[in-house]
Amino acid sequence: QTVVTQEPSFSVSPGGTVTLTCGLSSGSVSTSYYPSWYQQTPGQAPRTLIYSTNTRSSGVPDRFSGSILGNKAALTITGAQADDESDYYCALYMGSGLVFGGGTKLTVL
Amino acid sequence: EVQLVESGGDSVQPGGSLRLSCAASGFTFSSYWMHWVRQAPGKGLVWVSRVYSDGSSTSYVDSVKGRFTISRDNAKSTLYLQINSLRAEDTAVYFCARGGKTVLDYWGQGTLVTVSS
Repeated sequence: QTVVTQEPSFSVSPGGTVTLTCGLSSGSVSTSYYPSWYQQTPGQAPRTLIYSTNTRSSGVPDRFSGSILGNKAALTITGAQADDESDYYCALYMGSGLVFGGGTKLTVL
Repeated sequence: EVQLVESGGDSVQPGGSLRLSCAASGFTFSSYWMHWVRQAPGKGLVWVSRVYSDGSSTSYVDSVKGRFTISRDNAKSTLYLQINSLRAEDTAVYFCARGGKTVLDYWGQGTLVTVSS
């Protein structure tokens, strides 16, 4: 069974840039997996940030960008702000449905 | 404004059943695929199921196949998830989400299902 992998945690300084990644336990992530990214703060519903690798969802600031880096999907946050401190999940399309990664807890400090 | 409001969550004993509902408004419900995603306490998101816009096709994660049934009533703009043979590991917040084949673009606030004896 293929597992979607993410860094468990990451930290960034205010104003800094951070890149979170989304990989596969076996194989490479490509645009054919239509990677999407979601932000969730504790007790809240997820918010959609990016879909189809690099398309920002409505209302998402351009500080958030998506790409393929090497064999992984990536979410880059530039100019990190305090309220970017959240859990970030990627999801990959696997044919019959979506598979989420385990999530990355981002700390801004 | 797109709104998705889940209901039906409850505390039930192992082996019990529940039907979750998701009332949709602010968009043409019959034009979109709909999904259920769950999140166990302190854990990550898990995609559970999806249904085509016309209800003609459904899909499930392996762990719920044969126990969960997704359905929709386009006349009522409502999505459902029938959950049978509940297990402790089904304890989670269940979110409904609007989307397509490859993305979930709007999410509800979730409804909590607790399975405990």
